[in-house]
Amino acid sequence: QQQVKQSPQSLIVQKGGISIINCAYENTAFDYFPWYQQFPGKGPALLIAIRPDVSEKKEGRFTISFNKSAKQFSLHIMDSQPGDSATYFCAASIPGNEKLTFGTGTRLTIIP
Amino acid sequence: EAGVTQSPTHLIKTRGQQATLRCSPISGHTSVYWYQQALGLGLQFLLWYDEGEERNRGNFPPRFSGRQFPNYSSELNVNALELEDSALYLCASSRRLAGDSTDTQYFGPGTRLTVL
Repeated sequence: QQQVKQSPQSLIVQKGGISIINCAYENTAFDYFPWYQQFPGKGPALLIAIRPDVSEKKEGRFTISFNKSAKQFSLHIMDSQPGDSATYFCAASIPGNEKLTFGTGTRLTIIP
Repeated sequence: EAGVTQSPTHLIKTRGQQATLRCSPISGHTSVYWYQQALGLGLQFLLWYDEGEERNRGNFPPRFSGRQFPNYSSELNVNALELEDSALYLCASSRRLAGDSTDTQYFGPGTRLTVL
């Protein structure tokens, strides 16, 4: 019940296209859902995060869509660029617990 | 503002030895978290320290332990190293917010531990 399932495992998108990564969870106690971006040899960096009281959050080219009833959330990267090529992790946490439960990651490759 | 720092960058040990990894949080952050990123296993939560106390622990054996110092820096110790302990060990820090909640976790670059 603590799992966060992420798909796809890898994704290839053409430059300028939309990259979409999906995550699903079971535990309804989760109340914080961040997305992290990780480049090879670096630690994960927070990209954008959402709480269940909103259905969408947008920051620049990055948008999180959240469907509370379906227990799913997704990351959309608009106008994808080669510099977006990285591994993306979704995560979730429970208030007071604070440990992040991560998805398994999606390796995104943007091709010219 | 300096980010989370970790040392050493790389650490090579042999099976049965002990490893000590260090983490300095962002200034003003009182919570420190440790995660293990092993190949093919994703990021797994290890430990959470806040105000010098261990607040939560992941599903790891007792030979994984740590502590948090008065200046909020932290140390992760791994005893009796096994080959499968080879991984990237990531430290993250965050602030405590009002209402006993915590803020975003910011990650350091990690320590690559190799057990031979």
